[in-house]
Amino acid sequence: TQLLEQSPQFLSIQEGENLTVYCNSSSVFSSLQWYRQEPGEGPVLLVTVVTGGEVKKLKRLTFQFGDARKDSSLHITAAQPGDTGLYLCAGYSSNTGKLIFGQGTTLQVKP
Amino acid sequence: GAGVSQTPSNKVTEKGKYVELRCDPISGHTALYWYRQSLGQGPEFLIYFQGTGAADDSGLPNDRFFAVRPEGSVSTLKIQRTERGDSAVYLCASSLRAGDLTGELFFGEGSRLTVL
Repeated sequence: TQLLEQSPQFLSIQEGENLTVYCNSSSVFSSLQWYRQEPGEGPVLLVTVVTGGEVKKLKRLTFQFGDARKDSSLHITAAQPGDTGLYLCAGYSSNTGKLIFGQGTTLQVKP
Repeated sequence: GAGVSQTPSNKVTEKGKYVELRCDPISGHTALYWYRQSLGQGPEFLIYFQGTGAADDSGLPNDRFFAVRPEGSVSTLKIQRTERGDSAVYLCASSLRAGDLTGELFFGEGSRLTVL
């Protein structure tokens, strides 16, 4: 069974601080995605990383895919209250085609 | 709208009752997914469809859960003899085509099921 483990599960920080969320697995994934979810809504895609070692930047967010395609990280610079939400990593299994989610990281950014 | 639509948004039922949850995907999307989510946790995979057929139903917890997509568009998740442990938000998502291992999933807002 392929599993994705996220850490930390909960993060509460002050506005302006930096943070990193990790997503790890013992399995290789064809691609890794990061979603963000707000209360009462479905997850929304932030980014997809496909190549081992790939780094993608989206404004203050930096995403990295591990060289072995088993892990990923999300780094937020100068966090803002609007970044508050549940961050989810998800991996596609090449042999099943299904998308599996990690357990999520709840981020709270205080003004 | 043009997004994924789920009905009902809220369902309260009694233990032992039968429940149906409906998902209307984005027009033209061939892949449809069902997930279950508890508060503060990540979505738990249940089943996904390519067209009318279930490509992977390995996440269905037991035989009380069943899903159909008879015409390759709308899907219904059916839960028989509901139990309190079935209480969760049931999320539906669609993507342009199954087998695209970089494809974006578009989610509905979910159906919140409460079993008393």
